[in-house]
Amino acid sequence: DTAVSQTPKYLVTQMGNDKSIKCEQNLGHDTMYWYKQDSKKFLKIMFSYNNKELIINETVPNRFSPKSPDKAHLNLHINSLELGDSAVYFCASSQDSGSGGPGELFFGEGSRLTVL
Amino acid sequence: GNSVTQMEGPVTLSEEAFLTINCTYTATGYPSLFWYVQYPGEGLQLLLKATKADDKGSNKGFEATYRKETTSFHLEKGSVQVSDSAVYFCALRKGTGRRALTFGSGTRLQVQP
Repeated sequence: DTAVSQTPKYLVTQMGNDKSIKCEQNLGHDTMYWYKQDSKKFLKIMFSYNNKELIINETVPNRFSPKSPDKAHLNLHINSLELGDSAVYFCASSQDSGSGGPGELFFGEGSRLTVL
Repeated sequence: GNSVTQMEGPVTLSEEAFLTINCTYTATGYPSLFWYVQYPGEGLQLLLKATKADDKGSNKGFEATYRKETTSFHLEKGSVQVSDSAVYFCALRKGTGRRALTFGSGTRLQVQP
């Protein structure tokens, strides 16, 4: 059973299109994240939700909109895609409440987005 | 703010060589420290962690000790294998407030037979 699963794994699309990436975790965690990894492998936090509430919203273009229908799911919708959006997007989850301290994040396998 | 600084790569070693990847951090309070590994084409996997000063994390022959006095968490392995070739990320996570992982820039390790 995959703990954190993302779909699609690969996405190739044209500039100007709108696309979504979905993420689901079956670990029972209360917090989920989206990270962006650029071509130099640098990882940057984009958003974080705790029990469906947005708690981290970094300086990201408002073309990016996260949605958390329940605490096991966190989707990322991107409007009007641009060339610079090409990257690998990673979903992650963690258990924060009652954990006794800052534990590790569990990551999905990533969704590689290529904008042409 | 919080930050993590790693040595730049790539680091190229021969099989069975000793590995050190330096990591230092800046943070208020007492963060937890982590090393994640990313094999080619895959996601990030936790390699090891330490949650308080002087803790030593270890896994698969890798070790790192949380040194508060030098704000460091250097990764070491006594004898690397070709299969250790990957990108290694040092990261910190605070216990309060904004609790996302803050990553270093990653260090690519290439091990040659």
